[in-house]
Amino acid sequence: ILNVEQSPQSLHVQEGDSTNFTCSFPSSNFYALHWYRWETAKSPEALFVMTLNGDEKKKGRISATLNTKEGYSYLYIKGSQPEDSATYLCAYLYSGGGADGLTFGKGTHLIIQP
Amino acid sequence: GAVVSQHPSWVICKSGTSVKIECRSLDFQATTMFWYRQFPKQSLMLMATSNEGSKATYEQGVEKDKFLINHASLTLSTLTVTSAHPEDSSFYICSAPGRLSSGANVLTFGAGSRLTVL
Repeated sequence: ILNVEQSPQSLHVQEGDSTNFTCSFPSSNFYALHWYRWETAKSPEALFVMTLNGDEKKKGRISATLNTKEGYSYLYIKGSQPEDSATYLCAYLYSGGGADGLTFGKGTHLIIQP
Repeated sequence: GAVVSQHPSWVICKSGTSVKIECRSLDFQATTMFWYRQFPKQSLMLMATSNEGSKATYEQGVEKDKFLINHASLTLSTLTVTSAHPEDSSFYICSAPGRLSSGANVLTFGAGSRLTVL
């Protein structure tokens, strides 16, 4: 069983503050790391796919970094807004695995307080 | 962008009855659909993969006769929970292979179905 851990489990952040949270995954046999944003009552939406050690991806105020050697990825949100409230999922894909090989973390539930 | 429509979003049924959940790909064809289950405070766990025109493949520990999967067309996959019992109460969500604008392979999810068996 592959272990994908996300921390913290939940997070309350004041509007306007910046925040970040972590996804840790097996460093061996790595192929890709996915991040999804999942708003309540909606479909999870893909944010990033990262494959190379040192990768940095950015989408608006959200960015992510990847360290495959030590097996972690950070997701950063700059200047949090209420619409950022969601559960953020990461998913690890091992080398040779197809789309059915994604292992998800339990998610970080982010609440932005006005 | 690609959208997967999943219905119903929530269902309550009596123990022993069967429940069908549908996932439709809108504006694109999905030859493959992944079905996940999520128990409270747990991660999404893959149950099975449906392929249009062939039998579904199930993950270890998932009962094929309990969770019937049919991929009737390139735009419709269904999951039927047969003779449901309270322990089947969970959140079920489907997804199809998709792509980001960068071309990277991702999953396009439905919005999920919450099943409560009384």
